[in-house]
Amino acid sequence: DIQMTQSPSSVSASVGDRVTITCRASQGISSWLAWYQRKPGKAPKLLIYAASNLQSGVPSRFSGSGSGTDFTLTITSLQPEDFATYYCQQTNTFPLTFGGGTRVEIK
Amino acid sequence: EVQLVESGGGLVQPGGSLRLSCAASGFTFSRYWMHWVRQAPGKGLVWVSRISGDGSNISHADSVKGRFTISRDNAMNTLFLQMNSLRAEDTAVYYCTRDRMATVTPYNWFDPWGQGTLVTVSS
Repeated sequence: DIQMTQSPSSVSASVGDRVTITCRASQGISSWLAWYQRKPGKAPKLLIYAASNLQSGVPSRFSGSGSGTDFTLTITSLQPEDFATYYCQQTNTFPLTFGGGTRVEIK
Repeated sequence: EVQLVESGGGLVQPGGSLRLSCAASGFTFSRYWMHWVRQAPGKGLVWVSRISGDGSNISHADSVKGRFTISRDNAMNTLFLQMNSLRAEDTAVYYCTRDRMATVTPYNWFDPWGQGTLVTVSS
């Protein structure tokens, strides 16, 4: 199975900050990567697909980059509604696997 | 509005069975690949199963293979997950989710997701 490793596991940030989350795959996955946001008690929400494509309706302050094994999710100017847990997911190889999550907390 | 609503979760003893349902609305259900994803308490997301739009193509994670069966009723716009021989490690919130686009070959980007249904396996 492809292991997806996210870092950091948690980050404390303030409104207006720039936040960067990384995701590393244990083997190359080209651009077969998605990012999801999950808030407590809510369903996960697709933010980015194919490594860098913004899902419809997602604010432009979210962006994704990377290919191969190393990927990044960036949130420019963090907003109050962005405090949540973020997961990466690879869809290159079965079984589909997720990263362990990065919790973005209020500083 | 696209909506997925899961039901059928609950408390079950080890070795028992449970059938989850996911009612879909707001889109042409039969055109989409559908998936089940679970999240155990305090743990991350884990993909469980997927099924093609016509139900002819099915995949399960190794951890549930032989115990869980995904199926669908396109006339009723409903997705199912039959779970047998349940174990304590199957305890999780189970989410129903859809492939992002209606394609013959799935891309496995999940959007939207249901709210989830909790399955607790305990004696």
